[in-house]
Amino acid sequence: DTGVSQDPRHKITKRGQNVTFRCDPISEHNRLYWYRQTLGQGPEFLTYFQNEAQLEKSRLLSDRFSAERPKGSFSTLEIQRTEQGDSAMYLCASSFVVENTEAFFGQGTRLTVV
Amino acid sequence: ELKVEQNPLFLSMQEGKNYTIYCNYSTTSDRLYWYRQDPGKSLESLFVLLSNGAVKQEGRLMASLDTKARLSTLHITAAVHDLSATYFCAVALFGETSGSRLTFGEGTQLTVNP
Repeated sequence: DTGVSQDPRHKITKRGQNVTFRCDPISEHNRLYWYRQTLGQGPEFLTYFQNEAQLEKSRLLSDRFSAERPKGSFSTLEIQRTEQGDSAMYLCASSFVVENTEAFFGQGTRLTVV
Repeated sequence: ELKVEQNPLFLSMQEGKNYTIYCNYSTTSDRLYWYRQDPGKSLESLFVLLSNGAVKQEGRLMASLDTKARLSTLHITAAVHDLSATYFCAVALFGETSGSRLTFGEGTQLTVNP
């Protein structure tokens, strides 16, 4: 296992379309996080899974956003009716369920809404 | 709400010079991370600081943590062009429903000029 994998790496979509991103965490990592990073800013927390349970969602995650982790392995993040303001880098990270363990980030999916 | 502030946000320095990036945070935490990000890329972990007084060094970079002052520093010694990147500090807050979510600073964009 070479690390956290995200797909696609880049996505260009028209406003109003739906998009879905996938994240494959490091094997046996129970925790999975989604972050969003806009140009010139630090990443912002979106949501957190422990195994298949989505335990926290940021208020940044509007009703158009939904995330799943159906079997506690890979996760998907879907954005419905995309808006230009959704253009950002979407980062996935995973870690073990141990308090001081470090989270490892994937390469990210860069979304451009035109 | 946890706030993380970095300064400076932009730093232009000459090769061979020394400089320090500062990271202040608003809530007690004893875990702080430093990341490097190259343009269009994901986050590369540099340091994990787990306790008050922790100091870690890797090459020309040295990071320290003062939990009482809620301050971390990233010191650059004899800068070289390859260090040009954006540097983020991030503070972890552990919670039952939030895992180890990270709150990031705005980042310091470092440019090292020949």
